[in-house]
Amino acid sequence: EADIYQTPRYLVIGTGKKITLECSQTMGHDKMYWYQQDPGMELHLIHYSYGVNSTEKGDLSSESTVSRIRTEHFPLTLESARPSHTSQYLCASGRAGDNEKLFFGSGTQLSVL
Amino acid sequence: GQSLEQPSEVTAVEGAIVQINCTYQTSGFYGLSWYQQHDGGAPTFLSYNALDGLEETGRFSSFLSRSDSYGYLLLQELQMKDSASYFCAVKGTGFQKLVFGTGTRLLVSP
Repeated sequence: EADIYQTPRYLVIGTGKKITLECSQTMGHDKMYWYQQDPGMELHLIHYSYGVNSTEKGDLSSESTVSRIRTEHFPLTLESARPSHTSQYLCASGRAGDNEKLFFGSGTQLSVL
Repeated sequence: GQSLEQPSEVTAVEGAIVQINCTYQTSGFYGLSWYQQHDGGAPTFLSYNALDGLEETGRFSSFLSRSDSYGYLLLQELQMKDSASYFCAVKGTGFQKLVFGTGTRLLVSP
């Protein structure tokens, strides 16, 4: 059973609002990731982290930012949400040296009106 | 960069065998993974191949041919609960990232 949690599960907000999507894991994994996925589509990597104070942008351009102050916590922030940000956001983690097996959270479905 | 191609949809009946193919192009290769995702759910890890050949895990098997940049997921004795999307994934350039394919939607009918 994976121990990775995302909150909120669903979020509906208005344009221009600042939001933070939370992701926490209790497995002590060094590597954490944020993927964006539209319904029926592939997963696009938007941010990843090798460990504390290490973050990198992924392949998909994103206006979001991330931080990694603690091993277990990897929040994603949108300073000013827009309708184009409407999507599902999936957080994942994996052990160092074992990138092939990622554990995913249940996701946050974001709708920006 | 990396790219992975999969069929968009596959249909089969209960009890049958189905194969989902994945071809990839990547500048560095460290292995091919497979994930299952039910509608509205999170992806879950199924299998991983670093070397050529077949890996078997219960009803699911995964195959890799590095010389052909090709792999497949084989599902046997299909059940209704196997209806889901299946994604192949490879480690991207920079080693640390996992890049996913376009996904194959499997529909299992009675």
